[in-house]
Amino acid sequence: DAEITQSPRHKITETGRQVTLACHQTWNHNNMFWYRQDLGHGLRLIHYSYGVQDTNKGEVSDGYSVSRSNTEDLPLTLESAASSQTSVYFCASSPELAKNIQYFGAGTRLSVL
Amino acid sequence: DQQVKQNSPSLSVQEGRISILNCDYTNSMFDYFLWYKKYPAEGPTFLISISSIKDKNEDGRFTVFLNKSAKHLSLHIVPSQPGDSAVYFCAASALRAGANNLFFGTGTRLTVIP
Repeated sequence: DAEITQSPRHKITETGRQVTLACHQTWNHNNMFWYRQDLGHGLRLIHYSYGVQDTNKGEVSDGYSVSRSNTEDLPLTLESAASSQTSVYFCASSPELAKNIQYFGAGTRLSVL
Repeated sequence: DQQVKQNSPSLSVQEGRISILNCDYTNSMFDYFLWYKKYPAEGPTFLISISSIKDKNEDGRFTVFLNKSAKHLSLHIVPSQPGDSAVYFCAASALRAGANNLFFGTGTRLTVIP
């Protein structure tokens, strides 16, 4: 079955370290998104991509970067992790025809100590 | 500034009764609305959606109502079941403007009491 997977599911890191969260989907969706979920804020968009080599900043993009070298993957990199980036991160993808129905991965819980 | 608001952080309902979850939005460009359901340790899953050309969409026990003049939508679950206990997120987008991005509310935790 086609799916979207995130790894790792849990990560603990130290302030200042570079961290990369993986997102892989097998639906062949062009659109991919990264969100963070924090208490009192719901899900907030970090970065998104509408296709290979396309990346765009979302609402809370500072301190994060993404790259899209193929259709299946959109890794999220924290260049220098900060305690404020402790959160649950969700990756999502959507097909062209039903663009606004996004399908989510199970999430990565990141703790920055 | 939160463009999509869910003002009730939690709701408790008896099994078999109706659950009504509310959502308000501020951006008049929003024309497509979705509800997602989220269980602990899982990602949000799509539940139901509605376009601004409609005022109601129904799917089994789930109905979404849209009041464009009030910039308000609601999700009705009838009858409520214990398995419906989850966090429900309202989301909105400006589909006609070509924006694929979703703006989410802060969520409402629904507890259905057996």
